[in-house]
Parts: sequence; C-alpha cells; structure tokens
Amino acid sequence: DVKVTQSSRYLVKRTGEKVFLECVQDMDHENMFWYRQDPGLGLRLIYFSYDVKMKEKGDIPEGYSVSREKKERFSLILESASTNQTSMYLCASRPGPTEQSEAFFGQGTRLTVV
Amino acid sequence: DAKTTQPNSMESNEEEPVHLPCNHSTISGTDYIHWYRQLPSQGPEYVIHGLTSNVNNRMASLAIAEDRKSSTLILHRATLRDAAVYYCILRRRGGGNKLTFGTGTQLKVEL
Repeated sequence: DVKVTQSSRYLVKRTGEKVFLECVQDMDHENMFWYRQDPGLGLRLIYFSYDVKMKEKGDIPEGYSVSREKKERFSLILESASTNQTSMYLCASRPGPTEQSEAFFGQGTRLTVV
Repeated sequence: DAKTTQPNSMESNEEEPVHLPCNHSTISGTDYIHWYRQLPSQGPEYVIHGLTSNVNNRMASLAIAEDRKSSTLILHRATLRDAAVYYCILRRRGGGNKLTFGTGTQLKVEL
C-alpha cells in the first residue's frame, strides 16, 4: 500500500517561529502537494512539486515556502508563523504526469499558531 | 482545470442509494472526472474516475451525462461509514501536474 506520512499529527507553535512540516512517501511518486484545509474553504493548494528540486506555486503560496531535496520527501516551511496560518495541513503524492493517476494523502497535521 | 459545482451538503438514510451530483459545464473533451472523499479526521481518498463512459468499482459508480456537463457519483447502499465530504474534480490530459480541489459535498447518513 502507498503510504504518505506526515511527521506530526498535532503541532503548536508560537507567532514568529520558523515551522517545518515534513511529508514522506514510499512509492517513488514524482508529484507531491501541500494543501491547507479550513472550514468552509475546502482544500486549497499551497505548493506542489513535480520532481526533485522543482516546485510550483499553488493558489495560496504567500507566507510559505517548500523544499524537495529528495524524491520521497517534501517539506512545507512557514518562515515566520502567524495566527492566520493556524489550519489543517495535508500532504499528497501522485505518480507521473498522467491525468488518470490517483493521489494519496497523508493523515494531516493540525497546526495551531499562538 | 475547469471548474466544478457541487451542493454544499446532502442527507441520506442508511441502506438507501445516494446520488451526489457535480456540474462541470465548461468541461473540455480531454478532461477526466475524478471523485475523492474525505472521512472525518482523515486525508482525502480516491473513489473513482471516468472520461465518457459510466464506471463501476467496489466503492461506487460514476454516471456521466452524455454531454459530459455533469456527472453523478452513486453510492448504492449508504452506510454510516460513507458520511464524508465528497469532492468532484477535473483533470485535463496534458494539463500539467496541478491538482485542485473545491469545497465538496458534505454527505450525512442517518439511521
């Protein structure tokens, strides 16, 4: 079974802290994604990566950066956490460029910034 | 990717069929229709996808309108475990790697 693992299920950080959210997948997928999910707003794409060291902005990249140094790992970085970044963060991976392939999601990290 | 429109919420009784609609009036000929669902406290999971013909798998059926401007996810016998948010998204052939979700339909299943 494909596994997408997010390093933490719950995280509490202080305003201004640098925060790293880690995601690892074990199926050699080319594509990896970071989303945030807020009540009433659905899943919104922050960043995605289609290859090592390659990244593209999603719909809401402001305040975030990403890193993909190895194929299996995709990190989301909050350079200076703010309270409006309190949210559920979901990582996903998907093989290849094909429009038919399914995406696999992690369990999510609930981040609270105080 | 083209936009989809779904009702915010729907209700069903257990053991009854559920028809979850999705409108995609701007769909192009190369757009695949995908459905995902998100159970409480979990990440989304793939349900089914199709292009033109109706599709069946162990989880659900996908009925695609002849003009492809709408589709319906069919759960043949809803159970309490099917209570989830259901997302309908479009994936374009050759459309790149971006994967965008909307707000989905919250399905409530009652005894």
